[in-house]
Amino acid sequence: GEDVEQSLFLSVREGDSSVINCTYTDSSSTYLYWYKQEPGAGLQLLTYIFSNMDMKQDQRLTVLLNKKDKHLSLRIADTQTGDSAIYFCAESEDDYKLSFGAGTTVTVRA
Amino acid sequence: EAQVTQNPRYLITVTGKKLTVTCSQNMNHEYMSWYRQDPGLGLRQIYYSMNVEVTDKGDVPEGYKVSRKEKRNFPLILESPSPNQTSLYFCASKVGAGEVGYQETQYFGPGTRLLVL
Repeated sequence: GEDVEQSLFLSVREGDSSVINCTYTDSSSTYLYWYKQEPGAGLQLLTYIFSNMDMKQDQRLTVLLNKKDKHLSLRIADTQTGDSAIYFCAESEDDYKLSFGAGTTVTVRA
Repeated sequence: EAQVTQNPRYLITVTGKKLTVTCSQNMNHEYMSWYRQDPGLGLRQIYYSMNVEVTDKGDVPEGYKVSRKEKRNFPLILESPSPNQTSLYFCASKVGAGEVGYQETQYFGPGTRLLVL
């Protein structure tokens, strides 16, 4: 979506950390999400953060939110081959009408 | 098994020939939504529905219609398809805010790949 931007590609070595970045424009965004899409499949919600939070950690995933700069990032620790997928950043004001970024294709190399 | 199903999974049609893509969920979710996915554009929301008989436009509703006569079904209708509607379509559902078991997770169907010639 035009209101959410992400880089298109990321290549990372297995075992390293991946960082996927996203910027958004809507200052009324309340929910910010990260979705994962594996080849030939629909999307699955990885994690989300509320706009009043700075950070959220969930096992290997860390989400950082800089609300002033409207910048969201997803860090995947100890990246594995199963993490190869397309990752979508999304935002919503009400958790019903969502705007997605174009997706970042993450390739994990051995 | 809790799931969102879409039919057909693949469809080739010609310009102007009306078609319907069905979406059904067995989780008794209030909220359902349709998205299209295009390379370089990510997912864009077409329409969503917060309950039976309640529908609202997403970011790209032009050329599409929806209906929500029953809680489990949310068909997407293309009255007069055009080549720019060639895309991958996803239906999704979730528990609505205020419902028991509300969570932010949307459950996505497997997708319908549409080619309009």
